[in-house]
Amino acid sequence: NAGVTQTPKFRILKIGQSMTLQCTQDMNHNYMYWYRQDPGMGLKLIYYSVGAGITDKGEVPNGYNVSRSTTEDFPLRLELAAPSQTSVYFCASTSKGLLQFFGPGTRLTVL
Amino acid sequence: DQQVKQNSPSLSVQEGRISILNCDYTNSMFDYFLWYKKYPAEGPTFLISISSIKDKNEDGRFTVFLNKSAKHLSLHIVPSQPGDSAVYFCAASGEEGSNYKLTFGKGTLLTVNP
Repeated sequence: NAGVTQTPKFRILKIGQSMTLQCTQDMNHNYMYWYRQDPGMGLKLIYYSVGAGITDKGEVPNGYNVSRSTTEDFPLRLELAAPSQTSVYFCASTSKGLLQFFGPGTRLTVL
Repeated sequence: DQQVKQNSPSLSVQEGRISILNCDYTNSMFDYFLWYKKYPAEGPTFLISISSIKDKNEDGRFTVFLNKSAKHLSLHIVPSQPGDSAVYFCAASGEEGSNYKLTFGKGTLLTVNP
């Protein structure tokens, strides 16, 4: 099992550009989450999904969109990148429980 | 409003000694707590957890203590090893209908010196 995988590992965007951060898990987990971690801060929840076709906002959803068409994939979309979105993004998943498994992260810089 | 607080941004200990990392929470609905460990350029990995029906949970060198009345938990690492050097996040959950969402503290950077 690969667990939770994320691509790309690093990305530099210009202000106003768009991109999709990919997240895939092979554990057949229903619950998936997107977090961002800013320097010196904890992880803040952006969006989450309780199953295919169902998504909901977390603590900091502005500027982001998500979709969940399959159990395995949970992509995060940035439509108009802003410097405030410079961060490290982590995807996580869990079955019906509180132990979340995290991916390795995507480091995004918006210039 | 921070519901999970780790007030020490960093902690430095000598190899072989005890490391104690602290975490406070404000939401009395939290009833499950986890500690995650994070190395640079990697995702957080689960370390140990505790349910609110317990006041202590042990796993090898790692012990978590929970004081519900004080809304405080701590992670003890004995003996500390250089490989334990990492950022440790405290996380909490359990609100009804939470969909297993976790609320994280800001983390504590532990450095274990040889």
